[in-house]
Amino acid sequence: GQSLEQPSEVTAVEGAIVQINCTYQTSGFYGLSWYQQHDGGAPTFLSYNALDGLEETGRFSSFLSRSDSYGYLLLQELQMKDSASYFCAEGNDKIIFGKGTRLHILP
Amino acid sequence: NAGVTQTPKFQVLKTGQSMTLQCAQDMNHEYMSWYRQDPGMGLRLIHYSVGAGITDQGEVPNGYNVSRSTTEDFPLRLLSAAPSQTSVYFCASSYGSGGDQPQHFGDGTRLSIL
Repeated sequence: GQSLEQPSEVTAVEGAIVQINCTYQTSGFYGLSWYQQHDGGAPTFLSYNALDGLEETGRFSSFLSRSDSYGYLLLQELQMKDSASYFCAEGNDKIIFGKGTRLHILP
Repeated sequence: NAGVTQTPKFQVLKTGQSMTLQCAQDMNHEYMSWYRQDPGMGLRLIHYSVGAGITDQGEVPNGYNVSRSTTEDFPLRLLSAAPSQTSVYFCASSYGSGGDQPQHFGDGTRLSIL
């Protein structure tokens, strides 16, 4: 089966850096995706890691370690608009999401 | 492009009623999926399809049916609605299967079952 674990909530200060972790257990791992969802909205794709290492997309970066079954999303120069829920997901045909991490940003 | 269109946006049903949630995409995507989202539970996969004529079960398929007769449409049927099916339902599509293919989500259908 597949399972992904994320912290339920994280709080950070505007302008700071925050890391959202995701650990996974799966019988056949393809890669780790990240999605953002604002309250009342639909999830939107942020990034994907198939190989170990860091992928950078602007203020957002995502990291994967296959040997540790672990990944994280790194958000830099936090802005109030980054307040949202963040989900990791994995799978090929059957894509499973974690329960999500709600990011609170303090001014 | 409209992207992924879900109808209706809101619906209230009585226990035991049946209904179909519609999902259509105009991006010629092969892969489509249905998720339900409940507070604190994240997105749970109900059914998915890797192409027209092919469907498969996700994590929580019981009480739901799907069909994929065309590339564009992927309706979700509730056979006999139960209060436990009160949720927000999201349809998504992507060019192909695989986590590297960004899934494009519709705006959701908010379903309440009394």
